[in-house]
Amino acid sequence: ETGVTQTPRHLVMGMTNKKSLKCEQHLGHNAMYWYKQSAKKPLELMFVYSLEERVENNSVPSRFSPECPNSSHLFLHLHTLQPEDSALYLCASSQDRFYSGNTIYFGEGSWLTVV
Amino acid sequence: DQQVKQNSPSLSVQEGRISILNCDYTNSMFDYFLWYKKYPAEGPTFLISISSIKDKNEDGRFTVFLNKSAKHLSLHIVPSQPGDSAVYFCAANMDSNYQLIWGAGTKLIIKP
Repeated sequence: ETGVTQTPRHLVMGMTNKKSLKCEQHLGHNAMYWYKQSAKKPLELMFVYSLEERVENNSVPSRFSPECPNSSHLFLHLHTLQPEDSALYLCASSQDRFYSGNTIYFGEGSWLTVV
Repeated sequence: DQQVKQNSPSLSVQEGRISILNCDYTNSMFDYFLWYKKYPAEGPTFLISISSIKDKNEDGRFTVFLNKSAKHLSLHIVPSQPGDSAVYFCAANMDSNYQLIWGAGTKLIIKP
């Protein structure tokens, strides 16, 4: 238990569906992240929120839409995805958005399959 | 161009022996390095880190070595245990930049 909880753990969706991934952290951290992990590739940073403000989106396609209503919750809204978007989506948090010794804590991930 | 490279996709080690996982980087501005361990169907968990002002950091069975001139770091696990079988990710960061740059991971298999 890392203090970062993601739901659902598994999601299968059609290309025309709209779904959302949810993340909640119980660590009192100020920064939250969405990462994408595809097989045999490095973790890809998608979005960073610091104190509920989006800091970076790394040129992610608009079919991925993040939402951070407060410092403990983070959503990833999914709309008209493509099969190549199938991957493990990881939520993470850290004390603040500057590392310099900070540790980033990950949730268990949401396995997404787009059919 | 990958700034952090883990050139071995997998590594198989006998239980009780030493496991050595390697990581190379290209950006000399990186000043903090981390190792994460990941089991299947779980998120990565923090293992050990090292600042560029050090060349070694030890935590129990895990030791990370940093060779700045070679832009190389390694993770040593001694002795290796079956529970160490996982994918290990190396990551790097530079001060004032919130991004962690990740390697692609090395799958470690500990044979009984």
